[in-house]
Amino acid sequence: QQQVKQSPQSLIVQKGGISIINCAYENTAFDYFPWYQQFPGKGPALLIAIRPDVSEKKEGRFTISFNKSAKQFSLHIMDSQPGDSATYFCAANRGSTLGRLYFGRGTQLTVWP
Amino acid sequence: SQTIHQWPATLVQPVGSPLSLECTVEGTSNPNLYWYRQAAGRGLQLLFYSVGIGQISSEVPQNLSASRPQDRQFILSSKKLLLSDSGFYLCAWSVLQTQYFGPGTRLLVL
Repeated sequence: QQQVKQSPQSLIVQKGGISIINCAYENTAFDYFPWYQQFPGKGPALLIAIRPDVSEKKEGRFTISFNKSAKQFSLHIMDSQPGDSATYFCAANRGSTLGRLYFGRGTQLTVWP
Repeated sequence: SQTIHQWPATLVQPVGSPLSLECTVEGTSNPNLYWYRQAAGRGLQLLFYSVGIGQISSEVPQNLSASRPQDRQFILSSKKLLLSDSGFYLCAWSVLQTQYFGPGTRLLVL
């Protein structure tokens, strides 16, 4: 059973546009929601993370929006650049599992120049 | 600062041969350790995780096994590789809720 559902599977955005990737979860015990960025041939790297006590977190051009009642969270990439072209994974876990993450299936983002 | 190493970076092996992939973490103590496999263009499949020396939990029963002989060393093994074992193998560590990934090993079984 997929604990975290991610959409879309692929996304094509024009340079300067906004990229939006959505994730949904069922387990209300989840209390940590990170996003990872993966370039081809590399390991995923932590991009940004949020906890359910806040509705939004921004780091540079990257913003996580969190809707606890809807059990959804999303990644917004403002002013998307060709260098942002990568695969993005959302994930979730709960403190009692000591770091075991449940990942979405990933979104392949392509930003056209 | 913490660093995670994986080797080899790339490996080409014949079907039926054994496998040993190694992962080591520096700069932290008693980390949780994880092995993932990623098929081409696909998501992250958790294979094994470990919360301490000699403690291994398997997520997916298959042709692979894992061992943790030392606190910061995690080994992925197989006695006989299958074609379906090809993929990108990633090791990760965590102390609290955040996982940090290694550079990965690309395995091609022919």
